[in-house]
Amino acid sequence: GAVVSQHPSRVICKSGTSVKIECRSLDFQATTMFWYRQFPKQSLMLMATSNEGSKATYEQGVEKDKFLINHASLTLSTLTVTSAHPEDSSFYICSATGGVNTEAFFGQGTRLTVV
Amino acid sequence: ELKVEQNPLFLSMQEGKNYTIYCNYSTTSDRLYWYRQDPGKSLESLFVLLSNGAVKQEGRLMASLDTKARLSTLHITAAVHDLSATYFCAVDSNYQLIWGAGTKLIIKP
Repeated sequence: GAVVSQHPSRVICKSGTSVKIECRSLDFQATTMFWYRQFPKQSLMLMATSNEGSKATYEQGVEKDKFLINHASLTLSTLTVTSAHPEDSSFYICSATGGVNTEAFFGQGTRLTVV
Repeated sequence: ELKVEQNPLFLSMQEGKNYTIYCNYSTTSDRLYWYRQDPGKSLESLFVLLSNGAVKQEGRLMASLDTKARLSTLHITAAVHDLSATYFCAVDSNYQLIWGAGTKLIIKP
């Protein structure tokens, strides 16, 4: 399958700082990328969907000003958690697809801990 | 609104036994995925089921899809400890994946 690379895999930051997570498709053009959040022992929660070159579509309840998503190229999307707080600590996972009705491939995930 | 129900949510079983995880969904969809997640890791794609009656097998895992019943099953044959993980089904809905709650599978030696 296709490869999606997500970095960093783990990050610890102080409250009030911002953290950027990168998601790259290495061997295909990702027209759409998805950002998920996963709490312990729970399923994935979709945060937002981003299409290359356009603004991300956020799910209800997700603050767009807090979770900034940029999908500037067909191989890179970034999620920036701004002014992070301890409650933002979670496992964040990106996935990417090459088009409609194509399989989504997942990044390795990022464990964010805000202290 | 598409809903995906997965059961059981937790399953503890002995090595060598067979068992089935069920994934029901509420509205029409022609695409269903099964994923495996190990603790602290991201998701690993197991199967993509694209049509009614689709059956796929990989090792001790076999997945099937019945779009008329809106049901997919993940069958584990002669379970081994290495299959311990959380298994998710996800259903395609208008280009997004709707996730089941996951089944945590523990296989005891």
